[in-house]
Amino acid sequence: NAGVMQNPRHLVRRRGQEARLRCSPMKGHSHVYWYRQLPEEGLKFMVYLQKENIIDESGMPKERFSAEFPKEGPSILRIQQVVRGDSAAYFCASSPPNPRTQYFGPGTRLTVL
Amino acid sequence: DQQVKQNSPSLSVQEGRISILNCDYTNSMFDYFLWYKKYPAEGPTFLISISSIKDKNEDGRFTVFLNKSAKHLSLHIVPSQPGDSAVYFCAASAPDAGNNRKLIWGLGTSLAVNP
Repeated sequence: NAGVMQNPRHLVRRRGQEARLRCSPMKGHSHVYWYRQLPEEGLKFMVYLQKENIIDESGMPKERFSAEFPKEGPSILRIQQVVRGDSAAYFCASSPPNPRTQYFGPGTRLTVL
Repeated sequence: DQQVKQNSPSLSVQEGRISILNCDYTNSMFDYFLWYKKYPAEGPTFLISISSIKDKNEDGRFTVFLNKSAKHLSLHIVPSQPGDSAVYFCAASAPDAGNNRKLIWGLGTSLAVNP
């Protein structure tokens, strides 16, 4: 049983470009969470999604950031018009329908030049 | 407002000795607590958890203790091994009105186990 998959593992973008980060949850998991870890900081919750539904996006910046978890396919975290401050490690986690424990992917390291 | 606090940013322990990592929380609604371990350039790995109805949970070399009255939990690793060197995160959760949960994280404690 494959774990949580994230791709790409590393992503380099220039300022103003768009970044798309993908997350495939573990088999049987219907809940996806996105976190961001800035250098020298802990994990910060961004958004919590179920299939086709955003449960909690209280940690998402109000502009430029969006997330979706469609009925088919991976969850996508989209960052428009990236700035240098978006450079961070972005982690996705998934959990089963009765969520207590989250299981993490390896992360995507975004570098904005 | 940091609801989950790990007040020691780092800890250094000799191989074979006990490592004790501490975590304090402020929200009395938290009913489930977890510890994760994170190596550099990897995602956090679930280690052990405890429900608020218990005060101790043990899994091999890892034991988590929960003191609800003090709003404090600790992770004991014994004996510590060099491979345990990592950043350890404490996390807590409570169900919302829809029984959904969001993990609230501490900032982590970097453990170094010296040979």
